[in-house]
Amino acid sequence: DQQVKQNSPSLSVQEGRISILNCDYTNSMFDYFLWYKKYPAEGPTFLISISSIKDKNEDGRFTVFLNKSAKHLSLHIVPSQPGDSAVYFCAASVPGNQFYFGTGTSLTVIP
Amino acid sequence: KAGVTQTPRYLIKTRGQQVTLSCSPISGHRSVSWYQQTPGQGLQFLFEYFSETQRNKGNFPGRFSGRQFSNSRSEMNVSTLELGDSALYLCASSLRREVGYGYTFGSGTRLTVV
Repeated sequence: DQQVKQNSPSLSVQEGRISILNCDYTNSMFDYFLWYKKYPAEGPTFLISISSIKDKNEDGRFTVFLNKSAKHLSLHIVPSQPGDSAVYFCAASVPGNQFYFGTGTSLTVIP
Repeated sequence: KAGVTQTPRYLIKTRGQQVTLSCSPISGHRSVSWYQQTPGQGLQFLFEYFSETQRNKGNFPGRFSGRQFSNSRSEMNVSTLELGDSALYLCASSLRREVGYGYTFGSGTRLTVV
């Protein structure tokens, strides 16, 4: 049972525009959420996180939004750059437990 | 500082064989987790070790096992390999178990079962 879902397997965006990656979850006990970026032949790298006590967290061009009532998480990248082309995974955790990952969204930023 | 090191990078095995994968975490990291990545399934949690003890286990058959040594290095073993075990196996380490400490992943071991 997939507790964290990324329903868009792929997304293409023009360079300079906004990229919005979405993630839905089913477990209301999740209280910490993360986004990872993965390039081919490399392991995922941590991008940004958000605690359930917040609804927004920013780090440079990356902003994560959390809507607890909708059990929805999104990652905004503004402006998008070709180097952002990668697979993005969202992940969620309950305290003291493992992270549950989504299936990933492949982002392509077109120059 | 050195990252998470996984060996080997690539492995080809035949059905029925067993395989052992190795993971050396970042120096000082005591928590090591293993994930299986397959197309369409994302990253599926296998198990987590902290201070040589398995703390969490995912929903995988008993053919999948692991251990952690006193220096925090970890190994995972898969016995009686099946074609469906072909995947990228990722190891991740973190300083502590508390939520909020994002993992640092290794580059993975690509296992192909033929």
